[in-house]
Amino acid sequence: GDSVTQMEGPVTLSEEAFLTINCTYTATGYPSLFWYVQYPGEGLQLLLKATKADDKGSNKGFEATYRKETTSFHLEKGSVQVSDSAVYFCALTPWYSSASKIIFGSGTRLS
Amino acid sequence: NAGVTQTPKFQVLKTGQSMTLQCAQDMNHEYMSWYRQDPGMGLRLIHYSVGAGITDQGEVPNGYNVSRSTTEDFPLRLLSAAPSQTSVYFCASSLSGASTDTQYFGPGTRLTVL
Repeated sequence: GDSVTQMEGPVTLSEEAFLTINCTYTATGYPSLFWYVQYPGEGLQLLLKATKADDKGSNKGFEATYRKETTSFHLEKGSVQVSDSAVYFCALTPWYSSASKIIFGSGTRLS
Repeated sequence: NAGVTQTPKFQVLKTGQSMTLQCAQDMNHEYMSWYRQDPGMGLRLIHYSVGAGITDQGEVPNGYNVSRSTTEDFPLRLLSAAPSQTSVYFCASSLSGASTDTQYFGPGTRLTVL
């Protein structure tokens, strides 16, 4: 079945360090891919998304590129800040499915 | 716009008690969903609704009931609470059911069942 695998955390970085959080997926066809972020004590909010191959999603200095050939959607940021400390979730919705049936990875905590 | 609101923020129940988690949205979204978040498991879909009067089961529906009498509200009922239902519950909504659509999440309800 469809699934998302993301790197285990926690990830601890110094301010201004480069961030990469790996995410790979298994799905038929062309799913939509998402990164959601959860700040302490809050609900999830969309960080960025990409809905077709080779699309790049970007927001708040974060980027991720939809790579069909490697089934990956790695999250990157060139210079992290203390305020980026949160849990990051990679997710997908299969092309044949509805937005409600979103499939989440297990989350990566960034400190 | 308040977005998606949930009440209560925290709740402690004893095994066998029942309760209702409230969820409301003011964005006129058709789709609404309930998820539970457990450590190391991401979020799992409990029930969802594609519009007023229409609900369906998700991945982990056992022990939960839902109804959708209005577009705005989507309450989740625990019929007889069990310790396995200790979790953080999130309500979410989206404008349409398209797979490309963004989900908007509420702040969550942290439930402990003793």
